[in-house]
Amino acid sequence: KNEVEQSPQNLTAQEGEFITINCSYSVGISALHWLQQHPGGGIVSLFMLSSGKKKHGRLIATINIQEKHSSLHITASHPRDSAVYICAPLSGGSNYKLTFGKGTLLTVNP
Amino acid sequence: GAGVSQTPSNKVTEKGKYVELRCDPISGHTALYWYRQSLGQGPEFLIYFQGTGAADDSGLPNDRFFAVRPEGSVSTLKIQRTERGDSAVYLCASSAGTGYGYTFGSGTRLTVV
Repeated sequence: KNEVEQSPQNLTAQEGEFITINCSYSVGISALHWLQQHPGGGIVSLFMLSSGKKKHGRLIATINIQEKHSSLHITASHPRDSAVYICAPLSGGSNYKLTFGKGTLLTVNP
Repeated sequence: GAGVSQTPSNKVTEKGKYVELRCDPISGHTALYWYRQSLGQGPEFLIYFQGTGAADDSGLPNDRFFAVRPEGSVSTLKIQRTERGDSAVYLCASSAGTGYGYTFGSGTRLTVV
């Protein structure tokens, strides 16, 4: 069983819709990264969080350490948000090694 | 530099050859990480440097893989006797230390033919 489960695997939305991507993990962690990867592009770190909520522009990330669950929300989605979004917790017992989810492919249509 | 730079961006090599992949991290970042991303998979951890030393090399798949960071800045990932299964995107990332956010490079796409 993969230690990190993301849902949905694929998501298609219309421009302007509110997007939610979920991440569940099975091991204890100290923090979690949300990453973005455009097709053929590099990986960009969006957030690193260990508790509560963080907001950056139209992106919001939340985490519940006790429930081993995190969510990434995109408000007022735009076609340029189309990318793979990856949840990557810091592996249990490590404060540096990321375990990557398989990613959620988001397509936002105009 | 402004970001993490990886060179070359693409490398095609013949089976059995030796290759070197270079990573130039953000200036001042003490922590450097190598990951490998095979087609359709998420990246997998290879090695972590803190300064000049490899603090954790448990992800290196076998002794054909070796990485160095002699001056605590630029790192080189070396692969001997390449095999077709080594084909992947090799990602480098750096951070100001553990517990800080990562900055990723654009990766080196290695193809072994």
